[in-house]
Amino acid sequence: GENVEQHPSTLSVQEGDSAVIKCTYSDSASNYFPWYKQELGKGPQLIIDIRSNVGEKKDQRIAVTLNKTAKHFSLHITETQPEDSAVYFCAARRTGTASKLTFGTGTRLQVTL
Amino acid sequence: SQTIHQWPATLVQPVGSPLSLECTVEGTSNPNLYWYRQAAGRGLQLLFYSVGIGQISSEVPQNLSASRPQDRQFILSSKKLLLSDSGFYLCAWDRVTGANVLTFGAGSRLTVL
Repeated sequence: GENVEQHPSTLSVQEGDSAVIKCTYSDSASNYFPWYKQELGKGPQLIIDIRSNVGEKKDQRIAVTLNKTAKHFSLHITETQPEDSAVYFCAARRTGTASKLTFGTGTRLQVTL
Repeated sequence: SQTIHQWPATLVQPVGSPLSLECTVEGTSNPNLYWYRQAAGRGLQLLFYSVGIGQISSEVPQNLSASRPQDRQFILSSKKLLLSDSGFYLCAWDRVTGANVLTFGAGSRLTVL
């Protein structure tokens, strides 16, 4: 089955700096890669996703890059703000009715003033 | 639009007592439904998933069970809670067709004393 590794487990950046979270996956057939943000005491919320037919996707201050050859994808947050502080999860899945998301172990991002 | 409801939001139960957490989805039909557990500061562990009424798959052996009595209703139960059942329980849904984005509920925090 799929295995997703996520690094780092914790990340502290100063407000205004950039943050990068990296994930690797093992199943070369995976073709969908979402990122979730979980604020304290809440359910994870999808913030951005990418499918294997593109290499990069941007949405304002966040972007995701995908390298299918190397089987890794990354989340980039620019101009970080205190409200970006949360736990971020990456995930991977292949297409198919029986396919489920495999999640990384999460990264706790702390944006300091 | 689709919404997912999960209750109760918080629950404190003694060891050995029963448990029932309920999840319902509105605005869609025939969703895939999932129960995840998140221990304090940990990642997302898939407990059960269902592709239709009465169809339940268990990902890990444990003290919990799940049922899907209606198309958009998913229930997580236990006959006798253990201390180790404490955690944050998340219901989620997606669909095989369309964008197939996994959407989480707000979560239920269970403390077993």
